[in-house]
Amino acid sequence: AQSVAQPEDQVNVAEGNPLTVKCTYSVSGNPYLFWYVQYPNRGLQFLLKYITGDNLVKGSYGFEAEFNKSQTSFHLKKPSALVSDSALYFCAVRTNPSGYSTLTFGKGTMLLVSP
Amino acid sequence: GAVVSQHPSWVICKSGTSVKIECRSLDFQATTMFWYRQFPKQSLMLMATSNEGSKATYEQGVEKDKFLINHASLTLSTLTVTSAHPEDSSFYICSGRRGSGANVLTFGAGSRLTVL
Repeated sequence: AQSVAQPEDQVNVAEGNPLTVKCTYSVSGNPYLFWYVQYPNRGLQFLLKYITGDNLVKGSYGFEAEFNKSQTSFHLKKPSALVSDSALYFCAVRTNPSGYSTLTFGKGTMLLVSP
Repeated sequence: GAVVSQHPSWVICKSGTSVKIECRSLDFQATTMFWYRQFPKQSLMLMATSNEGSKATYEQGVEKDKFLINHASLTLSTLTVTSAHPEDSSFYICSGRRGSGANVLTFGAGSRLTVL
């Protein structure tokens, strides 16, 4: 069975500082990894994904994530946080890039960026 | 970009009544719709997967007679919570996928259900 762990319920960072939201995964095959963001009263929005290729993936709003197979991690990063980045972030994994398989989500990490 | 409209955004109902939540893909055809339930400080839990014109596939532990899912067209899926009870109070989110090869899901804004 596949699973995703987001060890932090909340991450606090000052505006302008770099941010990291952690994610580790467990799958039996090749992982396909995703980050979604949920703003208040809004649906989840896709940020970025890793399917294959470069381990460093760049996504929307200046976010990036690094796939580390040896550490089974896919941490979300941004060099300089904005107050508007404050939201709930979900990491997700699937073992099949397409087809009928579904995503397994982590429990989410609340990111709070202070002015 | 792809948009999924979910309605209602919030609903309050009495125990024993049924509530229908609609999920529409506005600018794409969602061949597959997923329904999730989100508890506070917990992850999104997949409830069921439905393909247009087929019966939904429910996850283990989800009562199919209680959570009725209909995916009658490529742009509309509905979730009906029948005989709702307070423990059904939750945040329900739908998502649509464009074709079997699509990697990215498009989510609705969610529906907050409160059962009194």
